[in-house]
Amino acid sequence: DGGITQSPKYLFRKEGQNVTLSCEQNLNHDAMYWYRQDPGQGLRLIYYSQIVNDFQKGDIAEGYSVSREKKESFPLTVTSAQKNPTAFYLCASKLQGNTGELFFGEGSRLTVL
Amino acid sequence: AQRVTQPEKLLSVFKGAPVELKCNYSYSGSPELFWYVQYSRQRLQLLLRHISRESIKGFTADLNKGETSFHLKKPFAQEEDSAMYYCAPGLSTDKLIFGTGTRLQVFP
Repeated sequence: DGGITQSPKYLFRKEGQNVTLSCEQNLNHDAMYWYRQDPGQGLRLIYYSQIVNDFQKGDIAEGYSVSREKKESFPLTVTSAQKNPTAFYLCASKLQGNTGELFFGEGSRLTVL
Repeated sequence: AQRVTQPEKLLSVFKGAPVELKCNYSYSGSPELFWYVQYSRQRLQLLLRHISRESIKGFTADLNKGETSFHLKKPFAQEEDSAMYYCAPGLSTDKLIFGTGTRLQVFP
């Protein structure tokens, strides 16, 4: 099955702990994205990467970090510096230069206790 | 700075009624514009893009450069249209920003 897989679907974390969300795609897409979805605020871009070993900050990158060591993988680390980490996180990918269609994962819900 | 506005958080209509979900954008340049939809328990997915000038599931969206709008319309709403809709104008195709979303509820 081709697509984007996010894991875990649900994650609980204690305050002060870092946590890493996984995003893997087998669509051979060049660009990958992380969004945060909060009620009433829509989707906000955290980080994106257009090619391997390169990534750019989105609108709300503070308290997050990413890596892009492989084309198919774009993990997101929510660090203890993120003040409001409880949210639904969405990963997406698309072909570089494609007219913008993003393919989304099912999401990961992070709850900080 | 890029900005996308979807003024309605919730839009409720009865089946068969016309629907218009509003989207306004503000930035320079010629944007590529998209509508994404998220049905209950499904992934967010592309509904339509303005460059294709297509109608998907009865929905259309016209880019109005003068008003900087990209409203989504359907003449007769169906119950299965109930979902969360996001407008997504992109300054370039490499960084897509999204509006805050509008939840459409279609009552029988």
